[in-house]
Amino acid sequence: QQQVKQSPQSLIVQKGGIPIINCAYENTAFDYFPWYQQFPGKGPALLIAIRPDVSEKKEGRFTISFNKSAKQFSLHIMDSQPGDSATYFCAASKTGNNRKLIWGLGTSLAVNP
Amino acid sequence: DADVTQTPRNRITKTGKRIMLECSQTKGHDRMYWYRQDPGLGLRLIYYSFDVKDINKGEISDGYSVSRQAQAKFSLSLESAIPNQTALYFCAVGGPNTGELFFGEGSRLTVL
Repeated sequence: QQQVKQSPQSLIVQKGGIPIINCAYENTAFDYFPWYQQFPGKGPALLIAIRPDVSEKKEGRFTISFNKSAKQFSLHIMDSQPGDSATYFCAASKTGNNRKLIWGLGTSLAVNP
Repeated sequence: DADVTQTPRNRITKTGKRIMLECSQTKGHDRMYWYRQDPGLGLRLIYYSFDVKDINKGEISDGYSVSRQAQAKFSLSLESAIPNQTALYFCAVGGPNTGELFFGEGSRLTVL
């Protein structure tokens, strides 16, 4: 049972393009939605995260858009660069002593020069 | 030095052998996790521990065991390795008040 559904599985864009990765969740108790970035040979690292009290959060060229009523959130990468080529994971969790991240399956992004 | 260190980084072994993957951290966080990553399957949680005396099964714990030797050390064991345990294994650590996890660089295990 996939509680966080991520799409697309893979994505190819040209340098300067705006790749968009989407995630949908089921559990309305989730209150923390991070995106992780993973380069080949490395572990995932937190890129940006949002809580449901805001609809958008920007950090540099990375933006999360959050739609609470649709139970969806997405990652936009502005002016994408070849160095952004990586696998991106969305996740969700709920506050509490037993907090665990529920992960999407990942999106492999390639940004061509 | 890395905040989360995994050893070994690469290991090739044979079916039936006992394997231990080790994780140590210098971030001072209480929560430690072992994940398995397979292509197309994302990150799947094997075991997690919220403190030294707390061990919990994740979604794919069968065939694995763990030991939390100290606040900073969490090891994963495969008592009798099988080929479908060939995967990339990650240790992660996190604090109780933030959802952020810090990952090691991974241990690639191949079981022949």
